[in-house]
Amino acid sequence: NAGVTQTPKFRILKIGQSMTLQCTQDMNHNYMYWYRQDPGMGLKLIYYSVGAGITDKGEVPNGYNVSRSTTEDFPLRLELAAPSQTSVYFCASSSLGVSNYGYTFGSGTRLTVV
Amino acid sequence: DAKTTQPTSMDCAEGRAANLPCNHSTISGNEYVYWYRQIHSQGPQYIIHGLKNNETNEMASLIITEDRKSSTLILPHATLRDTAVYYCIVRVRLGRDDKIIFGKGTRLHILP
Repeated sequence: NAGVTQTPKFRILKIGQSMTLQCTQDMNHNYMYWYRQDPGMGLKLIYYSVGAGITDKGEVPNGYNVSRSTTEDFPLRLELAAPSQTSVYFCASSSLGVSNYGYTFGSGTRLTVV
Repeated sequence: DAKTTQPTSMDCAEGRAANLPCNHSTISGNEYVYWYRQIHSQGPQYIIHGLKNNETNEMASLIITEDRKSSTLILPHATLRDTAVYYCIVRVRLGRDDKIIFGKGTRLHILP
């Protein structure tokens, strides 16, 4: 049982480049989330999804796009990378229900834009 | 979602109980109190949650006041590995609005 898997773990982008951060979960969770964490700061919600085909903006969605074509995958797309997007990105998943123990987080993707 | 207020940092001696307070004075009746922690740069880890009753699991205890306006996370015998940032969050577990907004948390230092 892998939980939430994020790839890549590290990436350096040049300004203006694009990339997709991958997130997949094998727990059949309906809810998935993307957060970013700047150095020394708390987590900010970028986008979230309550099921396949449904996505919603979080606190800081500008500069990002998401899609949710399957229950398992929730990729985060960066278009025209900017230095302000240098951050650690965490994906999480959750399932409502009696046995809901909260969010399960991935190990993060550390992104540097230069 | 209700907002929470936590101290910025706290110290606790190794082997003692660590008591982390959280104020959530505007909490609504359908909002749960959740605690997470983040060790160094790892992804946050779920600790415990509750609605109005006190809760205990293998990691910690959660004490919620009767008026639900504040709570305390208790780590009964703190170890050096408990050094982390602890986040207190209130969350509505309701359909499309189920999301967690993180605050700044409390940085807990366990002293040897």
